[in-house]
Amino acid sequence: GAGVSQSPSNKVTEKGKDVELRCDPISGHTALYWYRQSLGQGLEFLIYFQGNSAPDKSGLPSDRFSAERTGGSVSTLTIQRTQQEDSAVYLCASSFSSDGGYEQYFGPGTRLTVT
Amino acid sequence: DQQVKQNSPSLSVQEGRISILNCDYTNSMFDYFLWYKKYPAEGPTFLISISSIKDKNEDGRFTVFLNKSAKHLSLHIVPSQPGDSAVYFCAASRTDSWGKLQFGAGTQVVVTP
Repeated sequence: GAGVSQSPSNKVTEKGKDVELRCDPISGHTALYWYRQSLGQGLEFLIYFQGNSAPDKSGLPSDRFSAERTGGSVSTLTIQRTQQEDSAVYLCASSFSSDGGYEQYFGPGTRLTVT
Repeated sequence: DQQVKQNSPSLSVQEGRISILNCDYTNSMFDYFLWYKKYPAEGPTFLISISSIKDKNEDGRFTVFLNKSAKHLSLHIVPSQPGDSAVYFCAASRTDSWGKLQFGAGTQVVVTP
């Protein structure tokens, strides 16, 4: 079946502009996660959604970052007033929500470059 | 605060030999550990995992070992194959916040013929 998809695959934006990154999780997955990977770094947790529960936003680096998940499916990560340090690959993942269901399936990522 | 550390950024190994990747963690509350593999321009893919109640888990050519007292885990790949050339990430989580995987910085493995 279809995996996690993300769009756009690449985004170049000017400093100060807002950007929206989209994630389509695997159908039937109730949990959705956002991570980012800066150059030479590991994946950094940003936010995760689990069903109808309030999202865990503890990884968002600043209030310029926000995310929504509509209808328990598609998610949008919004970065307002982008800064050069926001340049990274933004990865979305989804998983079944079950005891011990830790396997997260990742999308290919969106490479964001802020000039 | 890097709670999961992979101190070797790269590893080169000959085809057919064993690859050993290491990972250390600092948070004793972690109780589930995973390895992910990543090819360029693709998202990470799950490889193998281990619960803190075990010290070894094996899946084909891949074996993960966990030493809780040392807060150390390792991934063994034997025999190594050219298709294993990728970046390998170690990750850890806690039962009370299982959605938040903490990742290491990754180890680039190159398997040479």
